[in-house]
Amino acid sequence: NAGVMQNPRHLVRRRGQEARLRCSPMKGHSHVYWYRQLPEEGLKFMVYLQKENIIDESGMPKERFSAEFPKEGPSILRIQQVVRGDSAAYFCASSPRGGNEKLFFGSGTQLSVL
Amino acid sequence: QKEVEQNSGPLSVPEGAIASLNCTYSDRGSQSFFWYRQYSGKSPELIMFIYSNGDKEDGRFTAQLNKASQYVSLLIRDSQPSDSATYLCAVKDTGGFKTIFGAGTRLFVKA
Repeated sequence: NAGVMQNPRHLVRRRGQEARLRCSPMKGHSHVYWYRQLPEEGLKFMVYLQKENIIDESGMPKERFSAEFPKEGPSILRIQQVVRGDSAAYFCASSPRGGNEKLFFGSGTQLSVL
Repeated sequence: QKEVEQNSGPLSVPEGAIASLNCTYSDRGSQSFFWYRQYSGKSPELIMFIYSNGDKEDGRFTAQLNKASQYVSLLIRDSQPSDSATYLCAVKDTGGFKTIFGAGTRLFVKA
């Protein structure tokens, strides 16, 4: 499967726990974007990364949220001390380069905070 | 705050009709515009992109762009029940690196 791979598909956490969401971009893609989607709402940009660099994190909450895209391995979106308001679908997208950027989305991770 | 506005719908059309979906954007300098389709519970899928004023056709889909009016539209000809989905308008942010999405328009095509 050469598509964008996200895991897990579903993640259940209790308040205060940590959530780690993983994303492997399409082969040949070095640009990764994370978006959050609440029910009946559009996609909200969180962060844009290239290998080993965070390029734009203007959509990411300043506290509890972090993202990385190491030289080897998937991109990770990490949410510490989760709260119920973090419950959402988190989508990762990749693109082969900057510029006009058609985005290819993974299947998403549905995070549920109990 | 740069915005992309869409009518949330739902838009209901009979099978075989033309569905017209509209979108306006606030960033006058935007150059890249996209339409994504999202089925319920699934991820968004790119169906059209347009960079220049005018029309761009791909099969049953036509994207229309009017930069002077900051307006983008998507026409779906010969609508099919399988076209029932949420359609997301997206605009590349000129000041940064992100793509900004509208909240989407739900389309129902009645058989």
